[in-house]
Amino acid sequence: EPEVTQTPSHQVTQMGQEVILRCVPISNHLYFYWYRQILGQKVEFLVSFYNNEISEKSEIFDDQFSVERPDGSNFTLKIRSTKLEDSAMYFCASRAVGDQPQHFGDGTRLSIL
Amino acid sequence: QKEVEQNSGPLSVPEGAIASLNCTYSDRGSQSFFWYRQYSGKSPELIMFIYSNGDKEDGRFTAQLNKASQYVSLLIRDSQPSDSATYLCAVTNNAGNMLTFGGGTRLMVKP
Repeated sequence: EPEVTQTPSHQVTQMGQEVILRCVPISNHLYFYWYRQILGQKVEFLVSFYNNEISEKSEIFDDQFSVERPDGSNFTLKIRSTKLEDSAMYFCASRAVGDQPQHFGDGTRLSIL
Repeated sequence: QKEVEQNSGPLSVPEGAIASLNCTYSDRGSQSFFWYRQYSGKSPELIMFIYSNGDKEDGRFTAQLNKASQYVSLLIRDSQPSDSATYLCAVTNNAGNMLTFGGGTRLMVKP
């Protein structure tokens, strides 16, 4: 069964450094999402992306965050200057057109030191 | 503020019993409802989705939706120890938009 793949599985970064999280959505999916989950807390929406532009974003997704689809397969989340509170699991999700559910990747555990 | 509420549990049921998980939501405009299973340290895994009032069955799982009461539930029949996980309820106001998640209910199925 096709799946969303995310790399790396674990990223350790010094506070203030830039980090890029990578995702390869399911190949025929056109809608892409990033979520995060701080340890012990709810899964929180960050951003949705369709047709090469952001379609919706949350208050969490401030100027330090950006997303990009640099080629036909990858979907990336960049955090420009990481803070301690950015430490979380980051999940990429994708879905097909129509009333289809979102499917999640295995996530990237981001640890900010 | 759109809210999705779930009892955090743990909900403990014996093997072979029916587990009943409940979820309420605040946004009356919500149209699509999802149940995800999340094992500790893992990502959410889609179990069921439901868009219309009533019941939807898939194997051992039944999702129930009551939009008038803003209530959605998940029944797991013949519960197995491998069903032990946190079950996340999520809603959107249309299928394309952001998922708003509840905090999850931890289910423990005891052999």
